[in-house]
Amino acid sequence: AQTVTQSQPEMSVQEAETVTLSCTYDTSESDYYLFWYKQPPSRQMILVIRQEAYKQQNATENRFSVNFQKAAKSFSLKISDSQLGDAAMYFCAYRRGGSEKLVFGKGTKLTVNP
Amino acid sequence: NAGVMQNPRHLVRRRGQEARLRCSPMKGHSHVYWYRQLPEEGLKFMVYLQKENIIDESGMPKERFSAEFPKEGPSILRIQQVVRGDSAAYFCASSDGQGQTFGSGTRLTVV
Repeated sequence: AQTVTQSQPEMSVQEAETVTLSCTYDTSESDYYLFWYKQPPSRQMILVIRQEAYKQQNATENRFSVNFQKAAKSFSLKISDSQLGDAAMYFCAYRRGGSEKLVFGKGTKLTVNP
Repeated sequence: NAGVMQNPRHLVRRRGQEARLRCSPMKGHSHVYWYRQLPEEGLKFMVYLQKENIIDESGMPKERFSAEFPKEGPSILRIQQVVRGDSAAYFCASSDGQGQTFGSGTRLTVV
Protein backbone atom coordinates (compact mmCIF):
# COMPACT_ATOMS: atom_id res chain seq x y z
CA ALA A 1 0.00 0.00 0.00
CA GLN A 2 1.13 3.51 -0.72
CA THR A 3 2.06 5.68 2.25
CA VAL A 4 2.88 9.35 2.61
CA THR A 5 5.02 10.60 5.49
CA GLN A 6 5.40 14.14 6.70
CA SER A 7 8.04 14.12 9.40
CA GLN A 8 7.53 17.69 10.62
CA PRO A 9 4.35 18.08 12.70
CA GLU A 10 5.03 21.82 13.06
CA MET A 11 7.19 24.42 11.39
CA SER A 12 7.55 28.15 11.80
CA VAL A 13 8.98 30.86 9.59
CA GLN A 14 9.48 34.59 9.79
CA GLU A 15 7.46 36.72 7.40
CA ALA A 16 9.32 37.24 4.10
CA GLU A 17 11.65 34.28 4.77
CA THR A 18 11.73 30.90 3.03
CA VAL A 19 10.60 27.62 4.51
CA THR A 20 10.72 24.04 3.23
CA LEU A 21 8.22 21.36 4.21
CA SER A 22 9.26 17.73 3.84
CA CYS A 23 7.34 14.82 2.39
CA THR A 24 8.37 11.29 1.53
CA TYR A 25 6.26 8.58 0.00
CA ASP A 26 6.43 4.89 -0.65
CA THR A 27 5.17 3.29 -3.86
CA SER A 28 6.14 0.64 -6.34
CA GLU A 29 4.20 2.38 -9.12
CA SER A 30 5.84 4.32 -11.92
CA ASP A 31 2.78 6.35 -12.88
CA TYR A 32 1.61 8.64 -10.13
CA TYR A 33 0.93 12.22 -9.11
CA LEU A 34 1.94 14.21 -6.06
CA PHE A 35 0.17 17.17 -4.51
CA TRP A 36 0.48 19.74 -1.78
CA TYR A 37 -2.76 20.97 -0.22
CA LYS A 38 -3.20 23.88 2.17
CA GLN A 39 -5.85 23.79 4.89
CA PRO A 40 -6.35 27.13 6.65
CA PRO A 41 -8.51 27.43 9.80
CA SER A 42 -11.57 27.71 7.57
CA ARG A 43 -10.97 23.99 6.87
CA GLN A 44 -11.15 24.41 3.10
CA MET A 45 -8.66 22.13 1.30
CA ILE A 46 -6.88 24.22 -1.30
CA LEU A 47 -4.62 22.74 -3.95
CA VAL A 48 -1.26 24.50 -3.84
CA ILE A 49 0.78 22.61 -6.39
CA ARG A 50 0.81 19.36 -8.33
CA GLN A 51 3.60 17.24 -9.86
CA GLU A 52 3.36 14.44 -12.40
CA ALA A 53 5.90 11.71 -11.69
CA TYR A 54 6.89 11.43 -15.36
CA LYS A 55 7.96 15.07 -15.45
CA GLN A 56 11.53 15.74 -14.41
CA GLN A 57 11.04 19.47 -14.11
CA ASN A 58 9.97 20.64 -10.67
CA ALA A 59 6.57 22.32 -10.56
CA THR A 60 6.33 25.99 -9.61
CA GLU A 61 3.36 28.19 -8.77
CA ASN A 62 4.39 31.75 -7.94
CA ARG A 63 6.04 31.64 -4.47
CA PHE A 64 5.52 27.87 -4.16
CA SER A 65 7.88 25.34 -5.67
CA VAL A 66 8.69 21.70 -5.14
CA ASN A 67 11.86 19.66 -5.04
CA PHE A 68 10.85 16.34 -6.54
CA GLN A 69 13.48 13.64 -6.05
CA LYS A 70 11.96 10.57 -7.67
CA ALA A 71 14.71 8.10 -6.79
CA ALA A 72 14.61 9.17 -3.16
CA LYS A 73 10.79 9.33 -3.20
CA SER A 74 10.91 12.80 -1.77
CA PHE A 75 8.60 15.71 -2.57
CA SER A 76 9.33 18.82 -0.51
CA LEU A 77 7.50 22.15 -0.75
CA LYS A 78 9.38 25.44 -0.65
CA ILE A 79 7.51 28.61 0.19
CA SER A 80 9.43 31.77 -0.63
CA ASP A 81 8.75 35.24 0.74
CA SER A 82 6.37 33.78 3.34
CA GLN A 83 3.25 35.78 4.08
CA LEU A 84 0.95 35.77 7.09
CA GLY A 85 -1.76 34.25 4.91
CA ASP A 86 0.43 31.20 4.32
CA ALA A 87 -0.17 30.06 7.90
CA ALA A 88 -2.11 26.80 7.67
CA MET A 89 -1.86 23.03 7.78
CA TYR A 90 -0.08 21.66 4.73
CA PHE A 91 -0.79 18.17 3.48
CA CYS A 92 1.23 16.18 1.01
CA ALA A 93 -0.81 13.72 -1.06
CA TYR A 94 -0.24 10.92 -3.56
CA ARG A 95 -2.42 9.51 -6.28
CA ARG A 96 -1.61 6.46 -8.35
CA GLY A 97 -2.15 6.81 -12.08
CA GLY A 98 -5.50 5.34 -13.09
CA SER A 99 -6.84 5.68 -9.56
CA GLU A 100 -8.92 8.49 -8.13
CA LYS A 101 -7.98 7.87 -4.52
CA LEU A 102 -5.78 10.44 -2.80
CA VAL A 103 -3.50 9.25 0.00
CA PHE A 104 -2.60 12.01 2.45
CA GLY A 105 0.16 12.52 4.95
CA LYS A 106 -0.63 13.65 8.49
CA GLY A 107 0.18 17.25 7.76
CA THR A 108 2.55 19.99 8.88
CA LYS A 109 1.28 23.01 10.76
CA LEU A 110 3.00 26.13 9.46
CA THR A 111 3.14 29.26 11.60
CA VAL A 112 4.25 32.54 10.05
CA ASN A 113 5.66 35.04 12.53
CA PRO A 114 5.38 38.79 11.81
CA ASN B 1 -19.57 28.47 -10.17
CA ALA B 2 -20.31 27.94 -6.48
CA GLY B 3 -17.70 25.24 -5.95
CA VAL B 4 -18.30 22.10 -3.96
CA MET B 5 -21.04 22.74 -1.42
CA GLN B 6 -21.32 20.70 1.74
CA ASN B 7 -23.99 20.99 4.36
CA PRO B 8 -24.43 21.20 7.16
CA ARG B 9 -21.13 22.76 8.17
CA HIS B 10 -21.54 21.48 11.71
CA LEU B 11 -23.67 18.58 12.85
CA VAL B 12 -24.22 17.35 16.39
CA ARG B 13 -25.78 13.97 16.97
CA ARG B 14 -26.40 11.88 20.06
CA ARG B 15 -25.06 8.36 20.16
CA GLY B 16 -27.37 6.02 18.28
CA GLN B 17 -28.83 8.68 15.97
CA GLU B 18 -28.34 8.88 12.23
CA ALA B 19 -26.15 11.48 10.51
CA ARG B 20 -26.75 12.55 6.91
CA LEU B 21 -24.10 14.63 5.23
CA ARG B 22 -24.78 16.25 1.87
CA CYS B 23 -22.47 17.23 -0.94
CA SER B 24 -23.31 19.10 -4.13
CA PRO B 25 -20.46 18.80 -6.63
CA MET B 26 -19.22 21.57 -8.84
CA LYS B 27 -21.29 22.18 -11.93
CA GLY B 28 -20.26 19.76 -14.63
CA HIS B 29 -18.50 17.35 -12.26
CA SER B 30 -19.78 13.78 -12.26
CA HIS B 31 -17.26 12.24 -9.85
CA VAL B 32 -17.66 12.56 -6.08
CA TYR B 33 -15.29 11.45 -3.32
CA TRP B 34 -15.73 11.33 0.43
CA TYR B 35 -12.86 11.60 2.91
CA ARG B 36 -12.75 11.56 6.70
CA GLN B 37 -10.34 13.60 8.79
CA LEU B 38 -9.83 12.59 12.40
CA PRO B 39 -8.22 15.10 14.80
CA GLU B 40 -4.50 15.59 14.15
CA GLU B 41 -4.67 13.35 11.07
CA GLY B 42 -4.67 13.71 7.31
CA LEU B 43 -7.69 12.93 5.20
CA LYS B 44 -8.53 9.27 4.68
CA PHE B 45 -10.33 8.14 1.55
CA MET B 46 -13.72 6.57 2.11
CA VAL B 47 -15.61 6.19 -1.16
CA TYR B 48 -15.67 7.27 -4.80
CA LEU B 49 -18.95 7.56 -6.67
CA GLN B 50 -20.20 8.51 -10.08
CA LYS B 51 -23.83 9.19 -10.83
CA GLU B 52 -25.86 6.24 -9.45
CA ASN B 53 -22.75 4.07 -9.10
CA ILE B 54 -20.27 3.30 -6.34
CA ILE B 55 -16.89 2.93 -8.03
CA ASP B 56 -14.58 2.36 -5.07
CA GLU B 57 -15.71 1.91 -1.47
CA SER B 58 -12.50 0.39 -0.16
CA GLY B 59 -12.22 3.00 2.59
CA MET B 60 -15.74 2.69 3.93
CA PRO B 61 -16.31 0.97 7.26
CA LYS B 62 -18.15 -2.27 6.71
CA GLU B 63 -21.08 -1.38 8.95
CA ARG B 64 -23.27 1.67 9.56
CA PHE B 65 -21.79 3.76 6.72
CA SER B 66 -23.31 4.15 3.27
CA ALA B 67 -23.05 6.60 0.41
CA GLU B 68 -25.08 7.41 -2.64
CA PHE B 69 -24.96 9.81 -5.56
CA PRO B 70 -28.38 9.76 -7.19
CA LYS B 71 -29.18 10.84 -10.71
CA GLU B 72 -30.73 14.02 -9.33
CA GLY B 73 -29.62 15.82 -6.20
CA PRO B 74 -26.58 15.82 -3.97
CA SER B 75 -24.42 12.97 -2.85
CA ILE B 76 -25.30 11.72 0.63
CA LEU B 77 -23.02 10.10 3.20
CA ARG B 78 -25.13 8.36 5.80
CA ILE B 79 -23.91 7.13 9.15
CA GLN B 80 -26.37 5.05 11.13
CA GLN B 81 -26.28 4.57 14.90
CA VAL B 82 -23.42 7.00 15.36
CA VAL B 83 -20.79 6.42 18.03
CA ARG B 84 -18.29 8.81 19.61
CA GLY B 85 -15.55 7.50 17.33
CA ASP B 86 -17.44 8.82 14.30
CA SER B 87 -16.71 12.38 15.42
CA ALA B 88 -14.57 13.86 12.65
CA ALA B 89 -14.56 16.26 9.73
CA TYR B 90 -16.01 14.72 6.59
CA PHE B 91 -14.90 16.19 3.29
CA CYS B 92 -16.40 15.82 -0.12
CA ALA B 93 -14.49 16.45 -3.34
CA SER B 94 -15.66 16.45 -6.92
CA SER B 95 -13.92 16.24 -10.25
CA ASP B 96 -14.47 16.02 -13.97
CA GLY B 97 -11.64 13.50 -14.11
CA GLN B 98 -8.91 16.12 -14.11
CA GLY B 99 -8.38 16.87 -10.44
CA GLN B 100 -10.32 17.02 -7.21
CA THR B 101 -11.85 20.19 -5.78
CA PHE B 102 -12.77 20.01 -2.12
CA GLY B 103 -15.65 21.39 -0.14
CA SER B 104 -15.23 22.96 3.29
CA GLY B 105 -16.29 19.83 5.10
CA THR B 106 -18.89 18.88 7.68
CA ARG B 107 -17.71 18.60 11.26
CA LEU B 108 -19.67 15.84 12.96
CA THR B 109 -19.71 15.76 16.74
CA VAL B 110 -21.26 12.80 18.50
CA VAL B 111 -22.28 13.48 22.09
